[in-house]
Amino acid sequence: GAGVSQSPSNKVTEKGKDVELRCDPISGHTALYWYRQSLGQGLEFLIYFQGNSAPDKSGLPSDRFSAERTGGSVSTLTIQRTQQEDSAVYLCASSPSGVPYNEQFFGPGTRLTVL
Amino acid sequence: AQKITQTQPGMFVQEKEVVTLDCTYDTSDPSYGLFWYKQPSSGEMIFLIYQGSYDQQNATEGRYSLNFQKARKSANLVISASQLGDSAMYFCAIHGGGADGLTFGKGTHLIIQP
Repeated sequence: GAGVSQSPSNKVTEKGKDVELRCDPISGHTALYWYRQSLGQGLEFLIYFQGNSAPDKSGLPSDRFSAERTGGSVSTLTIQRTQQEDSAVYLCASSPSGVPYNEQFFGPGTRLTVL
Repeated sequence: AQKITQTQPGMFVQEKEVVTLDCTYDTSDPSYGLFWYKQPSSGEMIFLIYQGSYDQQNATEGRYSLNFQKARKSANLVISASQLGDSAMYFCAIHGGGADGLTFGKGTHLIIQP
């Protein structure tokens, strides 16, 4: 079956512009996660959705970052007024339920470059 | 708070040898899960193996096994009969019982040499 998909695969933007990153989880997976991978910080957890419930936003790096999940499926990570330090690979993962010990299936990532 | 420490930034190993990748962790959660992921140069994150904190036996998945020593807070990955295709970054991660995601270590870059 289809895995986690993310779009775009690459995004180059200018400093100060807004960007939207999209994640389509595996069908039927209720839990969705966003991570960021950069050379300096490694792999960082950003935010978690369980179904349609309101997420805990405390992992987001700044108030320029926001995320939503519509209909318990597709999720969008939005970065406003992008900065050069936002350059990273943004990974999305999904798992069958909110039980923490389920394997998380990762998407291919979106490589964001802020010029 | 949770923390994963991987002390080997890089490793060179001869093909067919056994590889041990170190991972130590710290957590205040009484119940947690430990994971290993492989990330080849293509960038995809591939799940390898999982160990629950209350599991009595060490996890095994094919050529992968997890040497879990709870008292030492250690969860080393063992790869038997290493292959050239095992060359990749390997990440150890922990997940507690809260509504959050995985906490990853910095990773180990494994290179298998013929």
